[in-house]
Amino acid sequence: NAGVMQNPRHLVRRRGQEARLRCSPMKGHSHVYWYRQLPEEGLKFMVYLQKENIIDESGMPKERFSAEFPKEGPSILRIQQVVRGDSAAYFCASSPPLAGLYEQYFGPGTRLTVT
Amino acid sequence: DAKTTQPPSMDCAEGRAANLPCNHSTISGNEYVYWYRQIHSQGPQYIIHGLKNNETNEMASLIITEDRKSSTLILPHATLRDTAVYYCIVRVNYGGSQGNLIFGKGTKLSVKP
Repeated sequence: NAGVMQNPRHLVRRRGQEARLRCSPMKGHSHVYWYRQLPEEGLKFMVYLQKENIIDESGMPKERFSAEFPKEGPSILRIQQVVRGDSAAYFCASSPPLAGLYEQYFGPGTRLTVT
Repeated sequence: DAKTTQPPSMDCAEGRAANLPCNHSTISGNEYVYWYRQIHSQGPQYIIHGLKNNETNEMASLIITEDRKSSTLILPHATLRDTAVYYCIVRVNYGGSQGNLIFGKGTKLSVKP
């Protein structure tokens, strides 16, 4: 069973460009979470999605950031008009569609560098 | 979710047990204690979780005090590959909804040869 996959692993964008980060959850998982880790800081929750639904986006910046998890295909975290402060590691995690509390499995992350 | 307090760093000799403490004095009855770790530059890795009974798996043991206000993660025979930041997270069981994890600063464990 393949783990959570993220691509690209490294992404370089100039200020003002768009960044698209992809996350493929583990097979059978329908819950996806995105977290951001700024340099030398802990992970911060951004958004929680289920297929075709945003469940909790309380950690998302109000502007320029959006996320989706379509019926088919990976979850996408999109950052428009990137700024230097967006440089960070972005991790996604997935968990199974079962009732109760299950651990989240994390991907290797995408390291975004804004120049 | 309740707040946790962990020492910022600890050292451990290779082959010895690593005991990582966590205080969660405001934990409520329906909150679980979770442990994750993050090896440098990698995604966090789930280790173990528990409610009130001690738990053990192939990676570690979790000891929760009777009043549930603190817990200890035990790596029985630490190796150099266990060098990582260890996060203690207290999390409510949302009873069907999953909810996000709230990461603190964690404990940076350095295993030395």
